[in-house]
Amino acid sequence: NAGVTQTPKFRILKIGQSMTLQCTQDMNHNYMYWYRQDPGMGLKLIYYSVGAGITDKGEVPNGYNVSRSTTEDFPLRLELAAPSQTSVYFCASGQGGSGNTIYFGEGSWLTVV
Amino acid sequence: AQKVTQAQTEISVVEKEDVTLDCVYETRDTTYYLFWYKQPPSGELVFLIRRNSFDEQNEISGRYSWNFQKSTSSFNFTITASQVVDSAVYFCALSEADTDKLIFGTGTRLQVFP
Repeated sequence: NAGVTQTPKFRILKIGQSMTLQCTQDMNHNYMYWYRQDPGMGLKLIYYSVGAGITDKGEVPNGYNVSRSTTEDFPLRLELAAPSQTSVYFCASGQGGSGNTIYFGEGSWLTVV
Repeated sequence: AQKVTQAQTEISVVEKEDVTLDCVYETRDTTYYLFWYKQPPSGELVFLIRRNSFDEQNEISGRYSWNFQKSTSSFNFTITASQVVDSAVYFCALSEADTDKLIFGTGTRLQVFP
């Protein structure tokens, strides 16, 4: 069972470069999310989507963009990478509806130098 | 405003000891949901439990148990007879009724030594 799959797992970027973190889920979930995890800070929501064609900002959206052209895929794009974007990124998905469990991918470690 | 506080940054125990991880939450909603996730050294986030605000019954699953007390806004997690494999960062999280978005605490790192 694949669940939520993220790629790449590790990446080093130079300041100013751009890249896309890929996320796909095979559970037919409507809701998808991107979180970032900074050391000692827990996870913070970057963007989320409640269905194909619909996206919305979370708590820390600046410097990122997302798209949701299909139910399965929810890529996160970093434009003009900055050292402050060095973090671990988690994609997640859920059925939607109050309190439904959200399932996470394995994380993508990104370093901007 | 919603907030989750995990005051214990790091806990170290010796194998077979019992350990309790504290979680205190803040919300203005009467309907909300609480979660615990485990993040082992490999880095993935593993769902452990979900509890809704109307169910204050304690839950036990093997060596794990959860104590939900609305009167103190707490949702504490106890591991009985800890094992080295329990070493991980544990996150408590909250979501309110009108959203699926999780608000996470800062996590508690548990180290279990043999």
